[in-house]
Amino acid sequence: DAGVIQSPRHEVTEMGQEVTLRCKPISGHNSLFWYRQTMMRGLELLIYFNNNVPIDDSGMPEDRFSAKMPNASFSTLKIQPSEPRDSAVYFCASSLTANNQPQHFGDGTRLSIL
Amino acid sequence: AQSVTQLDSHVSVSEGTPVLLRCNYSSSYSPSLFWYVQHPNKGLQLLLKYTSAATLVKGINGFEAEFKKSETSFHLTKPSAHMSDAAEYFCVVSGAGGYQKVTFGTGTKLQVIP
Repeated sequence: DAGVIQSPRHEVTEMGQEVTLRCKPISGHNSLFWYRQTMMRGLELLIYFNNNVPIDDSGMPEDRFSAKMPNASFSTLKIQPSEPRDSAVYFCASSLTANNQPQHFGDGTRLSIL
Repeated sequence: AQSVTQLDSHVSVSEGTPVLLRCNYSSSYSPSLFWYVQHPNKGLQLLLKYTSAATLVKGINGFEAEFKKSETSFHLTKPSAHMSDAAEYFCVVSGAGGYQKVTFGTGTKLQVIP
């Protein structure tokens, strides 16, 4: 079975540019999560969707970040405008249900903002 | 409220010797607990999970963990370390309720010395 698929794997762009990260969850999973991982702050939950609806976006750093899930098989995380401090590895994860189920992670997008 | 504490940020063992990675948790509910492993440049992979069945949980790659409610601990062990076990390990607690509140520990980096 295919796991969680993220694209691109690497992104290098200049400050001020728009960045879009993409995620395809595992088929049949109802919950989707976006995380950011840095050396300084570790793994941070940015936003959580259940049945395509955003449930908790309290981890989204500021208005420059937005996330959408237009259908059960696709989600995007957008940063506009991007800043050097947004450089991190961004992970998408999905799980079967909302309650106490393990999350399955993609391999991440390594984002570098110059 | 819930929290998880990984007591060691770094652990170093010799190949062939036992591994112990320590995790303590707190939760207002009967928690589900997980251990994940992250190899360099990869996403997190589920090692094992505890969801109120047997207190001794066996996972992949020879790892196991014991849920001790009296000690609020969920330590990860392996009888004999292999070079391929070198990675970062995350302890995770998930609470009950209609929203899967998931809290990640700060991680323990395991070094295996040949």
